[in-house]
Amino acid sequence: EAQVTQNPRYLITVTGKKLTVTCSQNMNHEYMSWYRQDPGLGLRQIYYSMNVEVTDKGDVPEGYKVSRKEKRNFPLILESPSPNQTSLYFCASSRSSSGTDYGYTFGSGTRLTVV
Amino acid sequence: GNSVTQMEGPVTLSEEAFLTINCTYTATGYPSLFWYVQYPGEGLQLLLKATKADDKGSNKGFEATYRKETTSFHLEKGSVQVSDSAVYFCALSTSGTYKYIFGTGTRLKVLA
Repeated sequence: EAQVTQNPRYLITVTGKKLTVTCSQNMNHEYMSWYRQDPGLGLRQIYYSMNVEVTDKGDVPEGYKVSRKEKRNFPLILESPSPNQTSLYFCASSRSSSGTDYGYTFGSGTRLTVV
Repeated sequence: GNSVTQMEGPVTLSEEAFLTINCTYTATGYPSLFWYVQYPGEGLQLLLKATKADDKGSNKGFEATYRKETTSFHLEKGSVQVSDSAVYFCALSTSGTYKYIFGTGTRLKVLA
């Protein structure tokens, strides 16, 4: 089944403790992206990747890191999480490196709580 | 910059009612337009899309027409069901920017 798999689905952590949210897709998609979803703000893009080893900042990159060492994986790293990073996170991928015409396939989300 | 504006929710309808969720956009160039649906506890799913002016996207009884003259992409369905209850997001992307812009979402609740 074609899908984007995120882990974990739920995570509660403490301020400052480094964490990684994994994302993997099995569709050979070139384009991948991370979003956070907050009430009243919709989805905001954190980082995106046009292809292996090519990443760029989205609209809210502060406090996050990403890497794209292989085409299928695009982990999101929080080096020192803070309570304002409590949110629902989505990974998404798209067939086109221009990320435009095909739309996204989304993962099921990771609900992160930082206390 | 590019932006998407959706009508405020929640929208509450009775089963079999007609649905319209408004979406307007601001963009340079010629964006592609999308509607996504998010069911409770799930990720977003692509519902339909249109990539050029006057295109009509359709899926599962939903449809939307890309109107360049009014910069709109309103979502419609002739007869909603309880199972359509979800949050609907309008989105755009512009070639060369590698970015998607999402609206804030409109929650739809359909009552039996």
